Amino acid sequence: AQTVTQSQPEMSVQEAETVTLSCTYDTSESNYYLFWYKQPPSRQMILVIRQEAYKQQNATENRFSVNFQKAAKSFSLKISDSQLGDTAMYFCAFMKRGSQGNLIFGKGTKLSVKP
Amino acid sequence: GAVVSQHPSRVICKSGTSVKIECRSLDFQATTMFWYRQFPKQSLMLMATSNEGSKATYEQGVEKDKFLINHASLTLSTLTVTSAHPEDSSFYICSARDPSLGGRDSPLHFGNGTRLTVT
Repeated sequence: AQTVTQSQPEMSVQEAETVTLSCTYDTSESNYYLFWYKQPPSRQMILVIRQEAYKQQNATENRFSVNFQKAAKSFSLKISDSQLGDTAMYFCAFMKRGSQGNLIFGKGTKLSVKP
Repeated sequence: GAVVSQHPSRVICKSGTSVKIECRSLDFQATTMFWYRQFPKQSLMLMATSNEGSKATYEQGVEKDKFLINHASLTLSTLTVTSAHPEDSSFYICSARDPSLGGRDSPLHFGNGTRLTVT
């Protein structure tokens, strides 16, 4: 069975600074995807970034980037130039390739961006 | 981009009654939709996979007779919480994938969720 662990229940960062959210996972699968989802107070789940396990290059999306360490089963999210709108719960998620949609979520990290 | 609409956003019902939650894919066809449950300050847990034209697949520990899922069309899945009890109070979220965006491994799009409160 796969597990996803987010060891930081809460974090805060000053506006315009950089913050890194940690995520580790455990799996025996070799083909899978990793995701970071954002859930603002509206509760809407928003996909932030996606990483295919077979790709060595770290995914980036504007101010968001990941540090994917497959051997260590680590998948951290870096948010650069933090903005007030980045305040939200962030969930790391694992999906076995071909499973269609069985996402395994971590417990989340509550990020507060302070002005 | 793909949009998933969920209705209602909030519902309050009395114990013993049933509540229906709808999940619609607005600009794509979804043969498969997924229902998640989120307890306060907790993560999302997959409850069941809704399959158009066939029976839903439930995760271990989820009562299929209590959480009835119907996927009658390629754009609509419904979750009915039957004989609701206060412990069923939770946040329910559906999701679906637009297969035109990459097949079975394309990203999931989530609805806005439904806050169910059973009194």
